[in-house]
Amino acid sequence: DQQVKQNSPSLSVQEGRISILNCDYTNSMFDYFLWYKKYPAEGPTFLISISSIKDKNEDGRFTVFLNKSAKHLSLHIVPSQPGDSAVYFCAATMWGNEKLTFGTGTRLTIIP
Amino acid sequence: DADVTQTPRNRITKTGKRIMLECSQTKGHDRMYWYRQDPGLGLRLIYYSFDVKDINKGEISDGYSVSRQAQAKFSLSLESAIPNQTALYFCATSDSLLQETQYFGPGTRLLVL
Repeated sequence: DQQVKQNSPSLSVQEGRISILNCDYTNSMFDYFLWYKKYPAEGPTFLISISSIKDKNEDGRFTVFLNKSAKHLSLHIVPSQPGDSAVYFCAATMWGNEKLTFGTGTRLTIIP
Repeated sequence: DADVTQTPRNRITKTGKRIMLECSQTKGHDRMYWYRQDPGLGLRLIYYSFDVKDINKGEISDGYSVSRQAQAKFSLSLESAIPNQTALYFCATSDSLLQETQYFGPGTRLLVL
C-alpha cells in the first residue's frame, strides 16, 4: 500500500523553464511534508518542507505547494538549472514523528 | 569531511553469509536510521534508534538486526544474507528537535549472490 505516490518516474524540462514535480498521499494523518533531492552515488539531501498549516513555502528557486483537500503537493523549481538534474523524493510524516514515508521518486533532467 | 559516513560503499556477498554495514556521524544527532532503496519502491525504513538504549523496528525489519554502539555509530547486520536483500542501503540521522529533517549518508550498494 503506497501511501505516498509520485506518479511520474521521469520529467525533462528545458533550462530556464519551470519544473513541476507532483506528489499525492493517501493518509490523512500526514501533516508534514518534505522534498529530498538525490544525485547519483550520493545520499538524499533535504531540500524544502511544508507543514499542513500552510499551503505554500518558498526557498529561493524552490516552492512547495500543498493542497490538503486533494492530498496533493507539488514542488516548483524556477528557473530550472542543469544542476537541478537529480532524483526528487517526496516524503510525508506526522509532526513529531520520526518515521518518514517516501514516494518512489521522480528523475528530473534539465536540458541545456 | 562528510557528516554521515557509511562503510563499505559497495559489497558483494554470497547467500547465507553474515554481513555488517556501518554508519558513523559527526553531526551530534541522537537519532539514527537505516533505510533500503529498491527500484520503484522509494526508501523504506528498516530500523531506527533514538539513543544508545532505544532501538525500534521499522516497516521491513525482518532479516535484519542493528546495534547502536555509541551515539555516533549505528550498524546494520544481515545475519544470513539472501538475494532479495540486494539493494541500496542508507543511514540517516536527525536531531530530536527537528527529527523530521533527516541527513543521509552516501549509501552502501549491496549485492547478494
